[in-house]
Amino acid sequence: AQSVTQLGSHVSVSEGALVLLRCNYSSSVPPYLFWYVQYPNQGLQLLLKYTSAATLVKGINGFEAEFKKSETSFHLTKPSAHMSDAAEYFCAVRGSQGNLIFGKGTKLSVKP
Amino acid sequence: GAGVSQSPSNKVTEKGKDVELRCDPISGHTALYWYRQSLGQGLEFLIYFQGNSAPDKSGLPSDRFSAERTGGSVSTLTIQRTQQEDSAVYLCASSLGFGDPQHFGDGTRLSIL
Repeated sequence: AQSVTQLGSHVSVSEGALVLLRCNYSSSVPPYLFWYVQYPNQGLQLLLKYTSAATLVKGINGFEAEFKKSETSFHLTKPSAHMSDAAEYFCAVRGSQGNLIFGKGTKLSVKP
Repeated sequence: GAGVSQSPSNKVTEKGKDVELRCDPISGHTALYWYRQSLGQGLEFLIYFQGNSAPDKSGLPSDRFSAERTGGSVSTLTIQRTQQEDSAVYLCASSLGFGDPQHFGDGTRLSIL
């Protein structure tokens, strides 16, 4: 069975600072991993995906994530936070039916 | 192009009533998923449709929940005899095929009084 753990339900950074959102996965098969972002009262938008090609994955809005098998991690980073990055971020692993198994989410606040 | 469309965007109903939630997937997408998002449980998978195949209902929380997909396109999620714990945001997603990135609608916020 697959699962995802997101460390930190809330993360606060200053505008211009590094963003680091942590995600660890558990999977008995090579995982397909995703990061989604959710703005208030909206659905989820795909930021990036890992599908066993390059371990460093670049996504939209300047985000990237690195797959580390030895650490079973897929942390999301952005070098410089912008006010518009304030949202909730979800890490997910693909399940056996193609469904997404989500972490609990991390709410990112950006201080001016 | 048009994204995944869900209706209604908000639904308030009394405990014990039945509700129907609708999802219009992106044209040409063969896979359709329903998820539920609640404060206590986070994002949970409910049901999956692939083309005209029988759906995978493994995530449905009780037999009060059912879903159908007509003509391989529009899907309806039905909750019978609603309970207060059914209050949540119900999200629909579609993808081109199995394993392809899923595109989400804005959800239906269901409140049970």
